[in-house]
Amino acid sequence: DAGVIQSPRHEVTEMGQEVTLRCKPISGHDYLFWYRQTMMRGLELLIYFNNNVPIDDSGMPEDRFSAKMPNASFSTLKIQPSEPRDSAVYFCASRAGRLGEQYFGPGTRLTVT
Amino acid sequence: RKEVEQDPGPFNVPEGATVAFNCTYSNSASQSFFWYRQDCRKEPKLLMSVYSSGNEDGRFTAQLNRASQYISLLIRDSKLSDSATYLCVVNKFSSGSARQLTFGSGTQLTVLP
Repeated sequence: DAGVIQSPRHEVTEMGQEVTLRCKPISGHDYLFWYRQTMMRGLELLIYFNNNVPIDDSGMPEDRFSAKMPNASFSTLKIQPSEPRDSAVYFCASRAGRLGEQYFGPGTRLTVT
Repeated sequence: RKEVEQDPGPFNVPEGATVAFNCTYSNSASQSFFWYRQDCRKEPKLLMSVYSSGNEDGRFTAQLNRASQYISLLIRDSKLSDSATYLCVVNKFSSGSARQLTFGSGTQLTVLP
């Protein structure tokens, strides 16, 4: 079983550049979540989708952040333009149903210089 | 006030010791509770759910006190492999009526030989 797949695993970019993070959820899971983790703020929910539809994006920090889920097997989180304070580990997670167990991907470690 | 509060630790205990972690949550309407484990530079993984009656899984015991809005995790006979960060997790329901998980900042445990 492949689990949640994220790419890239590490990304280093310069301030002002566009960054795109990718996620493939577990097959059959109808919920997909994007989280950000930092030492200061811990693990924060950014946005989540149900059946490819964004349900709650209240955690997205600014208009610089956007997320899409064009189909059931792929989602992207884009930051444009990136800033040093965006440096964090970004996790994607998926879940089957409202009450299923949530599985996390390995994360993307983003460094913005 | 944070929705989920934990003592960040670190807890440094010798092998074989018993250690307890505590967590408080602010939303009295929360309905589901969990402990997740996160190893260094890895993704969070579900350790166990927490039920009102208390539940045990091998060396791990979880307790919930709804009146005090308090959750605990007890680890008996700790092993070196128990070294990790333990995240207290509480659900909340978004406007879409789907469960969202709110994570505490985590308690770091190091088990020493």
